[in-house]
Amino acid sequence: KAGVTQTPRYLIKTRGQQVTLSCSPISGHRSVSWYQQTPGQGLQFLFEYFSETQRNKGNFPGRFSGRQFSNSRSEMNVSTLELGDSALYLCASSLRGNEQFFGPGTRLTVL
Amino acid sequence: QQQVKQSPQSLIVQKGGISIINCAYENTAFDYFPWYQQFPGKGPALLIAIRPDVSEKKEGRFTISFNKSAKQFSLHIMDSQPGDSATYFCAASIRNSGNTPLVFGKGTRLSVIA
Repeated sequence: KAGVTQTPRYLIKTRGQQVTLSCSPISGHRSVSWYQQTPGQGLQFLFEYFSETQRNKGNFPGRFSGRQFSNSRSEMNVSTLELGDSALYLCASSLRGNEQFFGPGTRLTVL
Repeated sequence: QQQVKQSPQSLIVQKGGISIINCAYENTAFDYFPWYQQFPGKGPALLIAIRPDVSEKKEGRFTISFNKSAKQFSLHIMDSQPGDSATYFCAASIRNSGNTPLVFGKGTRLSVIA
């Protein structure tokens, strides 16, 4: 069974731009969660989608948004990028919500 | 605030030794405690998880010990190998009354030296 895939793997943007990251969950998994990982803050929860509905949301500004499609694939969008948004963005999929399997992440660098 | 405190930040262990990483939590509603292993350039991989109705769970060289009254749990890696060198994260969430997001500790960078 294929694991969680994330595209692109690396991204370089400049301040003020927007970015869209994509995640394809493990086949059959309907829950997709997004996390931001930085050296200073560690792994922080962004949001979770289940059956195209946002089920949980972390404490991030409204510039961070996401959505899930009917095939369970998910995208997250960050608008008006700031230097502090530079991070590894991780997507995790699960069948029942807690046993989460992570993808390799998208490394975002904001210049 | 839901927090999970992890220690130590970094750990150096001799090959063949025991690596011990500790975590403490505050929210007594947490009922699912996984450990993740992350290698550089990779996403975290689920290693082992425990529920609070058991005090210990063992899978190969990896053991979770759980102390509900102290609100602490730890990961023991027996016979540590250089290939175990990675960053380890503990986490916690509420599983029974609706799935809540995983709350992660800050991580422990383990180096196993020969």
